[in-house]
Formats: sequence, C-alpha cells, structure tokens
Amino acid sequence: DAKTTQPNSMESNEEEPVHLPCNHSTISGTDYIHWYRQLPSQGPEYVIHGLTSNVNNRMASLAIAEDRKSSTLILHRATLRDAAVYYCILRGIHGSSNTGKLIFGQGTTLQVKP
Amino acid sequence: GAVVSQHPSWVICKSGTSVKIECRSLDFQATTMFWYRQFPKQSLMLMATSNEGSKATYEQGVEKDKFLINHASLTLSTLTVTSAHPEDSSFYICSANRGMEPQHFGDGTRLSIL
Repeated sequence: DAKTTQPNSMESNEEEPVHLPCNHSTISGTDYIHWYRQLPSQGPEYVIHGLTSNVNNRMASLAIAEDRKSSTLILHRATLRDAAVYYCILRGIHGSSNTGKLIFGQGTTLQVKP
Repeated sequence: GAVVSQHPSWVICKSGTSVKIECRSLDFQATTMFWYRQFPKQSLMLMATSNEGSKATYEQGVEKDKFLINHASLTLSTLTVTSAHPEDSSFYICSANRGMEPQHFGDGTRLSIL
C-alpha cells in the first residue's frame, strides 16, 4: 500500500485558515486521496477526497499537486471543534489489491487555540 | 448523510468471556464493512474486511479464531471477541461503505476486560 507522510502535530488560531500537508510520493494512478478526522473517543469522520482536481465541500478544500505527490487539506476558518487528528490516506479502487480498504497512518494532531 | 451505528458503545466484562459487537448501516446497504482496533494514543489498525455472505479477510497478524466476524446481511456485521483477556481491551471501530463511496464509521466500542 502506498504510504503517506504527515507532520505529527500542528497548531492554529481560532478563525484562521489551516493548511494540513500530506506527502504521498509513491501514489499510483488509481489511488484516491482521502482525508478523515477523528475527535477524541469517536470514530473517524470523512472529510473530503479527490483524485486529480482540487475539491471543495462544506467542511474543507483539498488542493492536489499537479504531480499528485502531495496534497493539502485546507480548513478555511478553524474553530475549536476542528481540533482533531487528521488522517491523509490513499485508497485504491475496487479490483486492485487494495479492495478499497483504508490503512491509517499516525495523522496530524491539530490544536486550535482560542 | 450515511449513518453507521455500533453497539454497545462500551462494555466491561470478566476475563474469559466472549463479547459480541454489532455494526449496522442504518440508511444504506453496505457492500463492505471493516473492523479496526485502536489502542490509546495510537492510530487505527485494520483488523479485517467483511463482505456480505462471504468469509472475512483478515489482516496479517490478526487471529481469525479469536476475532470472529459474521456479515449476515448488507446492513449488519458482528465482531465477536472470543475468550477475551485483558490484552484484548481496546477501542473497536467498524466502518461501512457502498461501492467506492467514502467509508462511514461507527462511534466505536470501548472494551475493557478485567
């Protein structure tokens, strides 16, 4: 499974934008880039995913480098409720050996300061 | 949005007891369900992938006779921890997805074996 590399932790101030980086230099052409986050004592929550083009939804934006070897999750205005562990995960398509499963790395722990 | 319900949310039991955890997709039919475990301050570790009507596929190092998975319908998968011991104490999390849609996670089951 292709791996991702994320910083262990990041800090942000409330109501400021946050850019969470992820490196995935061994990404294959069929891997989607998924982002999930996990609040304490809860299951992970889907945030966003993309393949090649930048993506926006109500939670965040995903900026994908042209060579797809890195991506950045953007929270436009961080709130205290955004404090969580953010996971960047590559997910293969069905039919590949990956079978759509998610392999979690250590993620980035985001602290949001009031 | 898609909802995955996990039950019970926490359980405490004596060593040697078998414990069953249920995972239900409430508003969609899940083609695949996944089981994870998470130790304190660690990331999620995939235990097994489960497809309805077929045997689960276990990740390397996960004892299939210890962690029995039954996926009887498109909306229900169960994980039974057989003859549980204190080292099996952990946070168990399930997820479900339909095709290549994002995975939706339950809120986890905290298992404590005395």
